Amino acid sequence: GAGVSQTPSNKVTEKGKYVELRCDPISGHTALYWYRQSLGQGPEFLIYFQGTGAADDSGLPNDRFFAVRPEGSVSTLKIQRTERGDSAVYLCASSLGDGGHEQYFGPGTRLTVT
Amino acid sequence: GNSVTQMEGPVTLSEEAFLTINCTYTATGYPSLFWYVQYPGEGLQLLLKATKADDKGSNKGFEATYRKETTSFHLEKGSVQVSDSAVYFCALSDSGGSNYKLTFGKGTLLTVNP
Repeated sequence: GAGVSQTPSNKVTEKGKYVELRCDPISGHTALYWYRQSLGQGPEFLIYFQGTGAADDSGLPNDRFFAVRPEGSVSTLKIQRTERGDSAVYLCASSLGDGGHEQYFGPGTRLTVT
Repeated sequence: GNSVTQMEGPVTLSEEAFLTINCTYTATGYPSLFWYVQYPGEGLQLLLKATKADDKGSNKGFEATYRKETTSFHLEKGSVQVSDSAVYFCALSDSGGSNYKLTFGKGTLLTVNP
């Protein structure tokens, strides 16, 4: 079946602009996660959704970052007033049920802020 | 907080060589331990896992044993193939209520030459 998909695969934006990154999880997966991977680093946890609600948003770096999942499926990560330090690969993952189940990762969106 | 330290790369081996990638961790409680692999152009995939001390995870000829006494989870393979060339990430998940949150190491790039 289809895996986790993310769009766009690449996004170049100017400093100060607003961006939205989309994640389509595996059908039937109730849990969804966002991670950020900076160059030369491992992925870092940003936020975890269980259904429509953000169960844990403790990894969001500041209030310029926000994520939604209005219908419990597709999720959008929103970044306001982008900064060059936001440049990274943003990864989405999904899993069955709650934590402890295997997380399936998408290919990521590479965000470059110029 | 939790952290994962893994062997710096890159690692370059000839086909059929023995592979070890070291991984040590710091965590409270009893985390689960994982190795993820990222093949060129693909998303992160779970390679193997172990959920309690002395467990051995294995998959595709790779093995790792959860060593609580040394807080380690070293990845090994007896005979690598060119197709094993990828970036390998060691990771842990919190125990208890935050077991969905993965903490990753920085990754180790492995190149296997024919």
